[in-house]
Amino acid sequence: NAGVTQTPKFRILKIGQSMTLQCAQDMNHNYMYWYRQDPGMGLKLIYYSVGAGITDKGEVPNGYNVSRSTTEDFPLRLELAAPSQTSVYFCASSYSRKNTGELFFGEGSRLTVL
Amino acid sequence: AQTVTQSQPEMSVQEAETVTLSCTYDTSESDYYLFWYKQPPSRQMILVIRQEAYKQQNATENRFSVNFQKAAKSFSLKISDSQLGDAAMYFCALKFSGNTPLVFGKGTRLSVIA
Repeated sequence: NAGVTQTPKFRILKIGQSMTLQCAQDMNHNYMYWYRQDPGMGLKLIYYSVGAGITDKGEVPNGYNVSRSTTEDFPLRLELAAPSQTSVYFCASSYSRKNTGELFFGEGSRLTVL
Repeated sequence: AQTVTQSQPEMSVQEAETVTLSCTYDTSESDYYLFWYKQPPSRQMILVIRQEAYKQQNATENRFSVNFQKAAKSFSLKISDSQLGDAAMYFCALKFSGNTPLVFGKGTRLSVIA
């Protein structure tokens, strides 16, 4: 039972570098999400997707890009990393038919930008 | 705008005692769902309990129960017979029906004292 798998779990970037956070789910969920969690600030939605080929901005999309070419994968791309992007990133997915909101989360990816 | 407010950044409880975590929310919608998620030190978020707004009966899951006051827009979580494993961050979250993502509160850190 893999569920939602995120890689890498930890990463240190220099200012201006780029990287991709990978997210894969094996539950055939249509909905997938990327959140960031800053200390004391709860979770903020970056991007989400309701199905392959469909993505939409969340509350804090600036500095990020996503793609959804398959149902399973939802990578998050950071272009030109900035210290403000230091955070813990969570990928999540949910059922499409029973759209009652239960999210299944990955273990998170801690990103530090120096 | 929909908001979720958790007014208690930190709480503590003695093992085997009962604790209540508070959550209030603001919405003009009538059809929505409320959730409590637990985030242990391992970071992975886990669903604790869910409440449909159209149901008057308060949800319960073993030692976890909610006090849902729709008119007051209040959704508190009660943990009975607290255990050391209950120590975690607890997030209250709100979701509307349809393709809308969850909105999270800032969280309450619960410590359990042996």
